Amino acid sequence: SQKIEQNSEALNIQEGKTATLTCNYTNYSPAYLQWYRQDPGRGPVFLLLIRENEKEKRKERLKVTFDTTLKQSLFHITASQPADSATYLCALSAGAGNMLTFGGGTRLMVKP
Amino acid sequence: GAVVSQHPSRVICKSGTSVKIECRSLDFQATTMFWYRQFPKQSLMLMATSNEGSKATYEQGVEKDKFLINHASLTLSTLTVTSAHPEDSSFYICSAAEGGQYSNQPQHFGDGTRLSIL
Repeated sequence: SQKIEQNSEALNIQEGKTATLTCNYTNYSPAYLQWYRQDPGRGPVFLLLIRENEKEKRKERLKVTFDTTLKQSLFHITASQPADSATYLCALSAGAGNMLTFGGGTRLMVKP
Repeated sequence: GAVVSQHPSRVICKSGTSVKIECRSLDFQATTMFWYRQFPKQSLMLMATSNEGSKATYEQGVEKDKFLINHASLTLSTLTVTSAHPEDSSFYICSAAEGGQYSNQPQHFGDGTRLSIL
């Protein structure tokens, strides 16, 4: 069966450190993968999109890698700040067009 | 950037009531919008894909007569939860992507509607 797995346990790190979140998938061949941030009681906010032919994408303090052989994406936040505390969701393109399937999300807590 | 507005943000009503949720794309045209449902501490589950001017496409297990979707214009889709019951209580979120269904663009989400059925 198809699965998208993110660590369901919260990730607690110290301010200034690099946070690394993992997204593993099985039985998918996504054309692209996206990462979103979701704060409590709010809708997700788009962060980064990486396509199957791209290995790495960066945006300011964010970096995403995409390994289609390992079927894994890593999401890094460098120099983390308490304001980065949120739940981070990975999503795979699935089916036609813009349809996405989401992982369960990982909650990140950055402590000052 | 692209903005999606969702209204209302919270609804509390009695069992048996029908509730309408609106989703608007404010600064772009959305031929396709998506409706999701999210339970506490769980991920977003796609309910249906809403296409302007045609019938919505529902995911397996989602009752189309229970969750009525109308996408009458390029900037507005509505989800009506008919005869809502306590088990319909959830967080409903809509999204839209610029460029239409096959643009492979990121989705922009509304801020969700917290529905509580007493």
